[in-house]
Amino acid sequence: EADIYQTPRYLVIGTGKKITLECSQTMGHDKMYWYQQDPGMELHLIHYSYGVNSTEKGDLSSESTVSRIRTEHFPLTLESARPSHTSQYLCASSPPGGANYGYTFGSGTRLTVV
Amino acid sequence: AQTVTQSQPEMSVQEAETVTLSCTYDTSENNYYLFWYKQPPSRQMILVIRQEAYKQQNATENRFSVNFQKAAKSFSLKISDSQLGDTAMYFCAFMPLNNNDMRFGAGTRLTVKP
Repeated sequence: EADIYQTPRYLVIGTGKKITLECSQTMGHDKMYWYQQDPGMELHLIHYSYGVNSTEKGDLSSESTVSRIRTEHFPLTLESARPSHTSQYLCASSPPGGANYGYTFGSGTRLTVV
Repeated sequence: AQTVTQSQPEMSVQEAETVTLSCTYDTSENNYYLFWYKQPPSRQMILVIRQEAYKQQNATENRFSVNFQKAAKSFSLKISDSQLGDTAMYFCAFMPLNNNDMRFGAGTRLTVKP
């Protein structure tokens, strides 16, 4: 079973609304990541964190923001949702010195903005 | 920048047969890691197999094995004795040795037919 949890699994929301996608992990991993996944496209890194109070933007420009106040929690926020934000968002984590063993992924949040 | 290419958007295979998924990558790094991830429909992405570029021996995990050709920058996944539960999206990924910047291909959708 997953040790990294994302909520909600599915979200349909109107344009202009503020939303927060939750991601929590119980493994004590220091590194956490947010990816955007569109059908037929590679996963794009939008944010990552190497620990508490550390956040960085990834390759893909995103209007979202993240925070890392606690090791286990890495929420992603969209201040004003737009239809272009419709996508699947995947959260992942890796342990200290262990990213070379691969990431652990959550089940994803499929966001639809109408 | 490193790129990962999966040239087969979709593939199918009969149950119990063998299938090979292709992956090529582009990098100037000499040491790195390669991964295959499996994402079943509406489920969590999980690591299938990993390969360290400085090891010549191809990795094997039960019915899953890779053909790693470093000079050709090729990293294919072979699934033997395909099972219905192997139906999923398969993503190839690359990560340099000294950072956690994992790059993904666009994925191959594999369907195992009864």
